Amino acid sequence: QKEVEQDPGPLSVPEGAIVSLNCTYSNSAFQYFMWYRQYSRKGPELLMYTYSSGNKEDGRFTAQVDKSSKYISLFIRDSQPSDSATYLCAMSADGGSNYKLTFGKGTLLTVNP
Amino acid sequence: GAVVSQHPSWVICKSGTSVKIECRSLDFQATTMFWYRQFPKQSLMLMATSNEGSKATYEQGVEKDKFLINHASLTLSTLTVTSAHPEDSSFYICSAKESYRGDEAFFGQGTRLTVV
Repeated sequence: QKEVEQDPGPLSVPEGAIVSLNCTYSNSAFQYFMWYRQYSRKGPELLMYTYSSGNKEDGRFTAQVDKSSKYISLFIRDSQPSDSATYLCAMSADGGSNYKLTFGKGTLLTVNP
Repeated sequence: GAVVSQHPSWVICKSGTSVKIECRSLDFQATTMFWYRQFPKQSLMLMATSNEGSKATYEQGVEKDKFLINHASLTLSTLTVTSAHPEDSSFYICSAKESYRGDEAFFGQGTRLTVV
């Protein structure tokens, strides 16, 4: 079993839809959870960062972490064509000197106008 | 803030030659830098972690003599792919982290390497 599982999609939605992306993981030591957006042939861009369990909201984006289920989600409200990209979840057990990110495979999202 | 610049953005080289990729943190001091490799439709795989002034720590299966990493200053790390072969063709991405800037790492734009 891989440490981080993420459905690669592709996921295609109409503009304005609510998008739900998620990852599951097996390593209970993970405490830091991130979502990155990556456009084609570009480096990942940090979207959301969460420590431990709970919810975090930033504009149209909401990140949820459920450590008891080892499950994290990213919700995008009122999705826009500019949201079309690959979304990567990433997590780390340590935020200090032993910081090391483990990534999911990424979910390719297309928002159709 | 938190800008990481990677250069070049793409490079084509002949088999057997070496290629150097630079990663710079433009507005912060990167105490730790990471090098990743990404194959098409695959996730980022960590190759190595480097702390300024010390030797890089390589992940299992990554040849340290082939992928030379130097982190000589707090704003610059380099990855040199030595004696490149077509199977080294990939997307290489660096990220940088500053210990005083929380727990986030910021990524460069990536370098597309094609070995012919």
